[in-house]
Amino acid sequence: GQQLNQSPQSMFIQEGEDVSMNCTSSSIFNTWLWYKQDPGEGPVLLIALYKAGELTSNGRLTAQFGITRKDSFLNISASIPSDVGIYFCAGQLMGGGADGLTFGKGTHLIIQP
Amino acid sequence: NAGVTQTPKFRILKIGQSMTLQCTQDMNHNYMYWYRQDPGMGLKLIYYSVGAGITDKGEVPNGYNVSRSTTEDFPLRLELAAPSQTSVYFCASRPGTGAAVAKNIQYFGAGTRLSVL
Repeated sequence: GQQLNQSPQSMFIQEGEDVSMNCTSSSIFNTWLWYKQDPGEGPVLLIALYKAGELTSNGRLTAQFGITRKDSFLNISASIPSDVGIYFCAGQLMGGGADGLTFGKGTHLIIQP
Repeated sequence: NAGVTQTPKFRILKIGQSMTLQCTQDMNHNYMYWYRQDPGMGLKLIYYSVGAGITDKGEVPNGYNVSRSTTEDFPLRLELAAPSQTSVYFCASRPGTGAAVAKNIQYFGAGTRLSVL
């Protein structure tokens, strides 16, 4: 199936630092979604992007839909302990139907106090 | 605000046993999905359904079966459990009608953690 290359795989940062992660693909997407998964829970939507070049914020989180429609990044500013978790990008392919999203492998964020 | 509810939360099976993972949603969503999540990997689609009575295979359907007799419920069945099916299973749903369809947003349950020993 299609693949999303998500990086980095893991991040060890200090509280208060900014975080940046990204996803790239060789395919064109019409939707990029960023989810967060807390330990023992299911993924929860953070930000949804629908237009090439779109930049959207949700509190300390900012995400952008790449101009080529093949990539997206997520930034977290001034990280806090509750930001710990796994962040997934997910995309809906152009022309794709009901058969689900394509997920990246996740970025595991660990914050040291 | 129940959303997507999965049961059980945890289960240990012996090789060759069978079980059904339950999933129900109260949002009247047409589309429902089953994913599995293995350590260090993303979510892989097992089966999906676009409405009651309609199901289709995803990327990794072997060893699983599904049914969709109602809009609300989408159970996943393992007939002969194998160690390779040790994983975390997530059910998700998404609107299938109206303006919300184009948003492509899936809503996830909390997962079922399954070990096959």
